Amino acid sequence: EVQLLESGGGLVQPGGSLRLSCAASGFTFSSYAMSWVRQAPGKGLWWVSAISGSGTGAYYADSVKGRFTISRDNSKNTLYLQMNSLRVEDTAIYYCAKDPNWSWTRLPNWFDSWGQGTQVTVSS
Amino acid sequence: DIQMTQSPPSLSASVGDSVTITCRANLSVSNYLNWYQQKPGKAPKLLIYAASTLQSGVPSRFTGSGSGTDFTLSISTLQPEDFATYYCQQTFLTPRTFGQGTKLEVK
Repeated sequence: EVQLLESGGGLVQPGGSLRLSCAASGFTFSSYAMSWVRQAPGKGLWWVSAISGSGTGAYYADSVKGRFTISRDNSKNTLYLQMNSLRVEDTAIYYCAKDPNWSWTRLPNWFDSWGQGTQVTVSS
Repeated sequence: DIQMTQSPPSLSASVGDSVTITCRANLSVSNYLNWYQQKPGKAPKLLIYAASTLQSGVPSRFTGSGSGTDFTLSISTLQPEDFATYYCQQTFLTPRTFGQGTKLEVK
């Protein structure tokens, strides 16, 4: 059974940093692209960033480019999101999600498994 | 970015009813369209991918159709567990954008 477990969320001041982790189990982690998707309070889903199975390809939404860095450690079956220069508008639940493919750009694609999410609150 | 618009934003129905949710893209996404269900306090769950393919384990009362810019999610014979928020998502282009959601509520 696929399991994704996020951690690392919390309360941080504007301009601060956090690193989120997503521990994966139940599948061959290195064989699949992974993403981060967030959901602001009472709002819809919004894709943040993705990384290919090997970690060589990384993709970002425009509003987080240059502030967030996605990475993965396939030896530890763990996905990361380093978030710097955090803004109030980054407040959300952050989910990690699994692709059905190794490559982010291969079509068709979808998110076939999701973690339970970790709350990030940016506030002074 | 590709804009995805769902309608209606909310929908009231009763157990046993059939409902349809519409998702429209502002440019063609071929059949690269997925549907997710989300219940309060829970992560989204994949229902349908590639416009019409039912994810394993999802009941057959869920049906997806469409291509290009117009898509629908139909649910026949609503069950109590179907009351939730539904999102469409295009994956034709990065960023993979979602619709704003349709909340299906009990009448």
